[in-house]
Amino acid sequence: AQKVTQAQTEISVVEKEDVTLDCVYETRDTTYYLFWYKQPPSGELVFLIRRNSFDEQNEISGRYSWNFQKSTSSFNFTITASQVVDSAVYFCALSEAIWASGTYKYIFGTGTRLKVLA
Amino acid sequence: GEEVAQTPKHLVRGEGQKAKLYCAPIKGHSYVFWYQQVLKNEFKFLISFQNENVFDETGMPKERFSAKCLPNSPCSLEIQATKLEDSAVYFCASSPRQGPSGANVLTFGAGSRLTVL
Repeated sequence: AQKVTQAQTEISVVEKEDVTLDCVYETRDTTYYLFWYKQPPSGELVFLIRRNSFDEQNEISGRYSWNFQKSTSSFNFTITASQVVDSAVYFCALSEAIWASGTYKYIFGTGTRLKVLA
Repeated sequence: GEEVAQTPKHLVRGEGQKAKLYCAPIKGHSYVFWYQQVLKNEFKFLISFQNENVFDETGMPKERFSAKCLPNSPCSLEIQATKLEDSAVYFCASSPRQGPSGANVLTFGAGSRLTVL
């Protein structure tokens, strides 16, 4: 069965510190997709990144970087030089390919609340 | 349009009343999803549609919840006889047809906050 675990419920950092949000997933399939979404205090969900199971390259986008390791079933997210505007709840999500699982849904973790203090 | 439009933004119902939420997916998107978020915590999957057909309804509390996606109409999520625990933000999301590259990104609406008193 699919499962996504975000063990860190809440993290507080001081502005300009680096912070890593952990995501561990479980799936039976070899083809799957991982996502990160951001939910700021305003409540909307903002897509950050998608990664498929065949692409283990790490990715960097500005101050954001993602570390995907199939060996440990982890897809961690690092914010470098955090800013107050990064304060939000961050969700990791997993989806399996329809043809592999017969269904199409995204399973979300319980989220990590990040507070960046000025 | 290029956004998922959800209405209403807020809905208040007394316990036992009916609640109906609407979602207009992005034009051209084949899949629609409903999620329930309680207290800004995890997203509970409710149901997904492929066009007007139910694709996966394993998350739906079948006794009081129902959903439809009819052609040329917004999708809807209806709760009969609401209970206090139904208070949550209900998010609708849509995505294009899953292509060769795999699962597409979900685009979420702004959510509909249901408060049951």
